[in-house]
Amino acid sequence: EPEVTQTPSHQVTQMGQEVILRCVPISNHLYFYWYRQILGQKVEFLVSFYNNEISEKSEIFDDQFSVERPDGSNFTLKIRSTKLEDSAMYFCASSEIATGGQPQHFGDGTRLSIL
Amino acid sequence: AQTVTQSQPEMSVQEAETVTLSCTYDTSENNYYLFWYKQPPSRQMILVIRQEAYKQQNATENRFSVNFQKAAKSFSLKISDSQLGDTAMYFCAFKSGGGADGLTFGKGTHLIIQP
Repeated sequence: EPEVTQTPSHQVTQMGQEVILRCVPISNHLYFYWYRQILGQKVEFLVSFYNNEISEKSEIFDDQFSVERPDGSNFTLKIRSTKLEDSAMYFCASSEIATGGQPQHFGDGTRLSIL
Repeated sequence: AQTVTQSQPEMSVQEAETVTLSCTYDTSENNYYLFWYKQPPSRQMILVIRQEAYKQQNATENRFSVNFQKAAKSFSLKISDSQLGDTAMYFCAFKSGGGADGLTFGKGTHLIIQP
């Protein structure tokens, strides 16, 4: 069964550095999402992406964050000038369509640790 | 804004027993979807079951069923004949009916199936 894949599984970065988290969505899916889960807290929506542009974003997704689909398969989340509070699990998800209750399929996540 | 509440941080039952995980939500929308996701220790979130708000019939997937009470804004998950492999975090999630909104998650219930 096709899966969403995320790399790396664990990323350790110094505070203030830029980090790029990578995701390969399921190939026939059109909508892509990023979520984060701070340890012990809820999974929170960051952003959705369709047709090479952001569809929706939460208030968490500020100017520090950006997303990109640099080629036909990868979907990336860039965090500029990382802060300690950016430490979290980051999940990528994809879905065929956004409406109709179509389920989102999640990757294994990337654990980001900011030192 | 929607909120999702899971009031049971952890539950433990014996193998083969039936267990019910509770979830309540708050929304002013009439068209929406509800989901239960399972996150085993391997981390990937897997869709367990989904429910369309416009359907009165409760969704069922093998040993998993929901009790959807729209007026009460309640969406509980029942697991029958529980198995050791059901041990996982279970997240209840809400999605608006239109657009590429992200999922709104509850904090999760850690379910432990004891042998």
